[in-house]
Amino acid sequence: GQQLNQSPQSMFIQEGEDVSMNCTSSSIFNTWLWYKQDPGEGPVLLIALYKAGELTSNGRLTAQFGITRKDSFLNISASIPSDVGIYFCAGQFYNQGGKLIFGQGTELSVKP
Amino acid sequence: DAGVIQSPRHEVTEMGQEVTLRCKPISGHDYLFWYRQTMMRGLELLIYFNNNVPIDDSGMPEDRFSAKMPNASFSTLKIQPSEPRDSAVYFCASRGEGRTFFGPGTRLTVL
Repeated sequence: GQQLNQSPQSMFIQEGEDVSMNCTSSSIFNTWLWYKQDPGEGPVLLIALYKAGELTSNGRLTAQFGITRKDSFLNISASIPSDVGIYFCAGQFYNQGGKLIFGQGTELSVKP
Repeated sequence: DAGVIQSPRHEVTEMGQEVTLRCKPISGHDYLFWYRQTMMRGLELLIYFNNNVPIDDSGMPEDRFSAKMPNASFSTLKIQPSEPRDSAVYFCASRGEGRTFFGPGTRLTVL
């Protein structure tokens, strides 16, 4: 079945450090998305990528859609304590109603 | 907009009992999704609706699970009878203008 492999599973960093996480897939997606989930809440959309090779920023977050449409990375610059949470990549097929296939998540801990 | 609304936020029940989870999607959204999140399996799609019609229920684990969407502003996910392995966080999400928004989830514990 369709799977997204997300790495690393967890990260422990110092406040101010940059962070990088990535996802790979055996499937080609129309859209690649990055979500953040805080404890006790649902995932919140951070960045959506629509075109192969697309590089998009949202504040301190930068994400890129791989040329082959099978991979993506998310970078967070100058991390702060509120960046703590679980980050998920998700692939989306337009011809399947926009249903999302999620990666396993990267749990980020930031030490002040 | 209040976002996607789910109720209850927490549910504790005993094995064999019927459980009904409720969702109010964002007004104007034409897709509604039910996802389940567990440590072992992560976030997985159970079923989704388009304009209140079930389109893909291939993720529904067993016949014990059923979902309905009687109108554009309400959906239910029912588990009957519930089992301990159904314990998870269940998310409802709605999609409009190309973006999917998640509710806060219902944490279900089946004893």
